[in-house]
Amino acid sequence: DTEVTQTPKHLVMGMTNKKSLKCEQHMGHRAMYWYKQKAKKPPELMFVYSYEKLSINESVPSRFSPECPNSSLLNLHLHALQPEDSALYLCASSQERLWDTQYFGPGTRLTVL
Amino acid sequence: GENVEQHPSTLSVQEGDSAVIKCTYSDSASNYFPWYKQELGKRPQLIIDIRSNVGEKKDQRIAVTLNKTAKHFSLHITETQPEDSAVYFCAASKMGSGYSTLTFGKGTMLLVSP
Repeated sequence: DTEVTQTPKHLVMGMTNKKSLKCEQHMGHRAMYWYKQKAKKPPELMFVYSYEKLSINESVPSRFSPECPNSSLLNLHLHALQPEDSALYLCASSQERLWDTQYFGPGTRLTVL
Repeated sequence: GENVEQHPSTLSVQEGDSAVIKCTYSDSASNYFPWYKQELGKRPQLIIDIRSNVGEKKDQRIAVTLNKTAKHFSLHITETQPEDSAVYFCAASKMGSGYSTLTFGKGTMLLVSP
């Protein structure tokens, strides 16, 4: 099973709202990733968690706050976003000894008004 | 850091033709090269990959070749079908300690006409 799930599928929020994106995998993968993808562009890495610890933050603005409560769950908390933050947010995961093979979730389509 | 160039940006073929997409990478430390297919509004889906100790890999109508000396790898799709129409991303991967980092090419939009 190579299933990574994400909720919600779509999210519309105002610039003053606080919302969260959720990612789950039950494959026992110990690395999880957040990517941002704008239309007609490749995914851009935002954060990497390995064994529930933040390993990489690609200079992402503090209005994006990641959290990894356990090895199966990854959250992305959103606050005071800008319209240019509208994008597809993708979660991915990879397993021990095969770290390089990343499997993507279906994404959350975020629109900031 | 790693830089991945991908060509062409758009590729139109007739059903049944072959399609070739080419990528080059800059960092010799990259050792894993996946290809993702992304249909409109869908997730990137891993379709084939190759590691640096292998020169070629094939899976039915899809093949990937790697030239480590030239830092060049290519995706070959034979007998294309309309359902192959999508955006294809190549990537180069490097290992960290307990994770990997993917650097993507800019993508190729493949259109297969019936």
